[in-house]
Parts: sequence; structure tokens; C-alpha cells
Amino acid sequence: EDQVTQSPEALRLQEGESSSLNCSYTVSGLRGLFWYRLDPGKGPEFLFTLYSAGEEKEKERLKATLTKKESFLHITAPKPEDSATYLCAVQADVGSQGNLIFGKGTKHSVKP
Amino acid sequence: GAGVSQSPSNKVTEKGKDVELRCDPISGHTALYWYRQSLGQGLEFLIYFQGNSAPDKSGLPSDRFSAERTGGSVSTLTIQRTQQEDSAVYLCASSWGQGESETQYFGPGTRLLVL
Repeated sequence: EDQVTQSPEALRLQEGESSSLNCSYTVSGLRGLFWYRLDPGKGPEFLFTLYSAGEEKEKERLKATLTKKESFLHITAPKPEDSATYLCAVQADVGSQGNLIFGKGTKHSVKP
Repeated sequence: GAGVSQSPSNKVTEKGKDVELRCDPISGHTALYWYRQSLGQGLEFLIYFQGNSAPDKSGLPSDRFSAERTGGSVSTLTIQRTQQEDSAVYLCASSWGQGESETQYFGPGTRLLVL
């Protein structure tokens, strides 16, 4: 069964304190791994897509990496505005119409 | 350009009533997805539309749930005889379709509370 597990469930940090959020996945052929940001009262905001092991993508203080079993979202020197829930999702290559399989997310809180 | 829009943003209903949730995808996107997020759970796939093909209904939790997409654009998710366990945030997403660029862009969601 295709599955996504994110850890930790929650993270409370001081401003400037870097962190790494983990996304472990089991999927019958990976078409793509996606990271989204979720803020209260809003829909998920797209951050990155990764397609193959070894791939890395960066955007401001965020960097996403991918291996054959997991992905990390590294947040470097975070600011309070980086406080959000970060969602990881996979899209399977086999037997899938393209729907995303999501983890439960990591709630990331940054204190000033 | 305009993103995915959903209406209503919030809906409170009584158990046993029917509700309709609406999604306007990004113009030109051929694929449309419905998901829901119940309290403490991850987003759960419900149904998928691609162009004029028959929808993939494999994620619908019961026959009380149905969806249609008119003219390859606007979609309506209908829940009949609502139950308290239907309370959740219902999210719609759209994408260009299958292929390399399959990023799904989400709307703000409809927060449904069944009393």
C-alpha cells in the first residue's frame, strides 16, 4: 500500500534555528514527490516537486532533497513567517490516475 | 492569473441535509481533483476528473458522495444525507493534466460542519 509518513508531527524553534523535516514514503513507482505549505484558513500552497533520487530544489530559506525512500525539507535560519504546516505528498506511477497521497504534515512554529 | 476558487468558504448544516460544494479550476487546466481533510488526518483523495473521460471515483467514501464536472470546467461535489463524520475541509485542486508538469494547485477549501 502506498504510504507517506512525516516526522516530527510538530516542531517549535527560535528564529534562526535551522531544522530538517522528514518525509518517508512507500510507493509502487514514484512519479513525483511534492511539498506544500499549509497556513490556517487557506489551501495548500505548492513549494516543490522532486522526480528522482538525488534531486534537490531550493527556494529562499527552503531546500528539498530526495532519496529512494525519503525526502527532507531543510529550513535554514527560519523567520516567524516560515511558521506553517508543511505537507509532503507522493504521486504513484503505477495504478494511479495522478491523485496525491499525503502525509499528515509537520507543524513548524518559529518564535521571534 | 486567477487561482482555484471554491464556494462556499464555510458551511454549517444539520445532519441528514444535502450540501453542494463548488470548485472553479484554473482556466485551461484539464485535470480536477477533490480531497478532504478531517481533523487530525492527512488529505484524503476523493475523486478525479480528466477532460471528458469518466471520473475516477475510487476515493469516494460512500454512495452519499457524488461529483460532476460541467463543460470540462466547474465541478460540484454533492453530499447527500450528511453525517457528523462528513465534517471536514473539502479541497479542490486542478492541474494541466498528466505528464511531466502535474503540479496540483489548490483552492482555499470549504469548511463543512455537520451538526
